[in-house]
Amino acid sequence: KNQVEQSPQSLIILEGKNCTLQCNYTVSPFSNLRWYKQDTGRGPVSLTIMTFSENTKSNGRYTATLDADTKQSSLHITASQLSDSASYICVVSLSGGYNKLIFGAGTRLAVHP
Amino acid sequence: DVKVTQSSRYLVKRTGEKVFLECVQDMDHENMFWYRQDPGLGLRLIYFSYDVKMKEKGDIPEGYSVSREKKERFSLILESASTNQTSMYLCASSLLGQALNQPQHFGDGTRLSIL
Repeated sequence: KNQVEQSPQSLIILEGKNCTLQCNYTVSPFSNLRWYKQDTGRGPVSLTIMTFSENTKSNGRYTATLDADTKQSSLHITASQLSDSASYICVVSLSGGYNKLIFGAGTRLAVHP
Repeated sequence: DVKVTQSSRYLVKRTGEKVFLECVQDMDHENMFWYRQDPGLGLRLIYFSYDVKMKEKGDIPEGYSVSREKKERFSLILESASTNQTSMYLCASSLLGQALNQPQHFGDGTRLSIL
């Protein structure tokens, strides 16, 4: 069964600290892996997209890694800000057909002052 | 920037009503999608469309239908609303080559309550 699992479910950190969110997937055939940020009451916004051959990609203070062998990805947030408080969703795209997306349930991050 | 606009942020309807959710995108994207988002679950695909008048079922199409008469507009229809359709509904669009690292762009969602 195609699945994307994220951990932790929720996380609280202090402003300025770093954190890492995890994503494990059992999806085949794999096309790419995406991280989205979803602010409360808003739609998800794309942060990064990585293909099989990419093992790291950055977007400002966000750095995503991908280990296609172990089927794991992480999203590292550096020097967190209050505006980083959001849900972070890991999404894996299947290759073939219409490239279906499999969504994780997300990690809810709260950054406190 | 791509803009995906959903007509209502909040909607309250009664059981048995026919409900229309509207979505418009302004970037000439071929693909459009409707998802529902429930607490503790990942987004689940209801229907998608890759061209005008074309539609494909997603994972949970039961109780829903869609309409795409124009490229920029994709409507989700709840034929006879039921309480288990209370949820957040998200519309998205993307270029046709989704495998080629094209992100889906989402609207801000419609929170639908069925009483």
